[in-house]
Formats: sequence, C-alpha cells, structure tokens
Amino acid sequence: GAVVSQHPSRVICKSGTSVKIECRSLDFQATTMFWYRQFPKQSLMLMATSNEGSKATYEQGVEKDKFLINHASLTLSTLTVTSAHPEDSSFYICSARVPRDNSPLHFGNGTRLTVT
Amino acid sequence: SQKIEQNSEALNIQEGKTATLTCNYTNYSPAYLQWYRQDPGRGPVFLLLIRENEKEKRKERLKVTFDTTLKQSLFHITASQPADSATYLCALVANQGGKLIFGQGTELSVKP
Repeated sequence: GAVVSQHPSRVICKSGTSVKIECRSLDFQATTMFWYRQFPKQSLMLMATSNEGSKATYEQGVEKDKFLINHASLTLSTLTVTSAHPEDSSFYICSARVPRDNSPLHFGNGTRLTVT
Repeated sequence: SQKIEQNSEALNIQEGKTATLTCNYTNYSPAYLQWYRQDPGRGPVFLLLIRENEKEKRKERLKVTFDTTLKQSLFHITASQPADSATYLCALVANQGGKLIFGQGTELSVKP
C-alpha cells in the first residue's frame, strides 16, 4: 500500500531557531502533498498544499514566510518552521494522495515539535 | 459558513456492543466523504470512503451511511473490541483544490 514517511518524529528546539520536517512518499509519486497541524484534542487544520515544482498554496491565516514549504521532487516535500516560538509547538502531519480519482490521503506519522 | 461537526464528547461503550459515531456538515456539497482512525501520537489512517450516490458502505465490522438530505454520515463499529479504541475523524473534500477538511473527531473507548 501507499506509504508516507515523515521525519523526524520528535524535535525539541530553542526559540528563534528553525526546524525542517521532511515528508516522503515511499512507493508512489505525489505531485501534491498536504501539511496539517494538530493541537491537543483538536482536529487537523490544513496549513498548506505543497505542489511539486511550484509554490505552495497556504490557507488563510498561515504565514508563508514562517512556514516555508519546498516540494522539489515528486516524492519529497519539506516544511521549515522558521524562527520558531513556543506557540509553534504542535503536532505537524504531512499527507499525500496517490494520483487517482477519489483516492484517500495517506498520512505520515507526524512530527511533535516542542519549542522551548 | 462551512462546518463539519462530530460528537465532541468521548464515547464509552462495552466490548461487543455497536459503536455509532455521527458526522454532520453544513454548506458543503461533497461528492464523497471519508472516515479515518487516529491513534494518539500517530497520523490518521484511512478506513472507508462513501460516495454521494451510495447510501451505505461496509468493510468487515465497519459500516458507513451517507444521507445527503440530512447532510449526515454515521459510522458504525459492530462487535466492538478494546483495540477499536481511538479517535475517529470524518473528512470531506472542500469545493476546490481537492483539500480534505476534517471534523474534530470523536474519541471512542471500548471497555472489556
């Protein structure tokens, strides 16, 4: 089945530093990947749609200069949280869809980011 | 405004009983609706997809219904087991761009 791998699973960083999260589709090519954020006991909130070879599309209220997305190949998208602050601490999850009509999303196992 | 709402309170049931979870939506006209399972600290896992022209879909102990008039989907787990304990999320595709939008999820706890 389709597998999405996300790395790292946990990261702790200091305020002001940047953190990069990688999302890979292991056995399929994904022209589009999606980045979600989830706070405790809340639903997944879509942050942005990552498009291979072009700019990401950000949801309203998400700062594109703070959450840098790069989708340089058909199997890799990265999310960089720049100048992280404690309020950026959250669970970040990427997902991708096999390019087929009505196919479901396949999710990575998420990255728990803690900013101290 | 567009909304997807699920039972916000946790659902506690006894092993062997049927669990029923509800997903209601407003101001969407989804062509299909999906259900996912999420365990703590993990990404969601796809369970079932039901199209607007399907009333019911089954997969092993799972059953999903989709009523486009009521704008509601019901998710049933029959003969529930403690291993079914998780958060269950419904999701539908936003009108443009293929973005999947999620409800807040319902936490299910099955007691032995």
